[in-house]
Amino acid sequence: GAVVSQHPSWVICKSGTSVKIECRSLDFQATTMFWYRQFPKQSLMLMATSNEGSKATYEQGVEKDKFLINHASLTLSTLTVTSAHPEDSSFYICSAGKTGTTEAFFGQGTRLTVV
Amino acid sequence: GNSVTQMEGPVTLSEEAFLTINCTYTATGYPSLFWYVQYPGEGLQLLLKATKADDKGSNKGFEATYRKETTSFHLEKGSVQVSDSAVYFCALTLYGNNRLAFGKGNQVVVIP
Repeated sequence: GAVVSQHPSWVICKSGTSVKIECRSLDFQATTMFWYRQFPKQSLMLMATSNEGSKATYEQGVEKDKFLINHASLTLSTLTVTSAHPEDSSFYICSAGKTGTTEAFFGQGTRLTVV
Repeated sequence: GNSVTQMEGPVTLSEEAFLTINCTYTATGYPSLFWYVQYPGEGLQLLLKATKADDKGSNKGFEATYRKETTSFHLEKGSVQVSDSAVYFCALTLYGNNRLAFGKGNQVVVIP
C-alpha cells in the first residue's frame, strides 16, 4: 500500500501564533511531497513542492517566509504557518509521490482555523 | 500552461440516475489524467486514472476515457448511489512527477 498520514486533522490557534502540520509517508519513501491549500468550495491550489534534503519550491504568490516547509527525511515533511492570521484559515492537504507510479497519495488534510 | 476545466456548478441527482461530469484539459505534453474524490471532511482519494490516449480508467462503477482528440476525460457512472455524494476533482500531471493541476471540482449530491 501507500499511506500518507497528516497530523493534526484539525487545529484552532490564536492570531499571531505559529502552527506546524506534519505529513508522513508511512510505508514508502517520498523524495518529493506537495502541499496544497483548499478554500471552501474551491479547488486545491498547489502551494509548494517539498524536496527531501533541499529547499522547497514555492508557487508564485505563496510567501515562503510565512509558509515554512521542511523535508528533513524521506518520510516526513512539515508545513509551518508562521504568525497565523484569520485569512490563513483553510484546509491544507499534503501529497506524496511513490517511485514508479504517476499516482499521488494524499493525506487526510488539516483544517486550520485562526481566531 | 497546463490546466483542467470542469463543468460549472454542483450536480444534484436521484439515486440510480446516470452521472456525467465533464472535464477538459490543456497541456503542453502528454499528461496522465486522474479523477479524485473527496468525501466531507476528508482528504482526496484516487478514483481512477488513465495514462495515455484511449485508455479507460474504471473503479467502483465509474469510468472515464482519455480522449486526446477532444482533450477530455469525462467521468460517468450508470447508476449512482447516495454514498457517491462527494466532490469530484479532475486532475492532470506531466512527466510522472506527481505534481497535479486540479480542476475546480464538482459537488455531487445524490438524493434517495
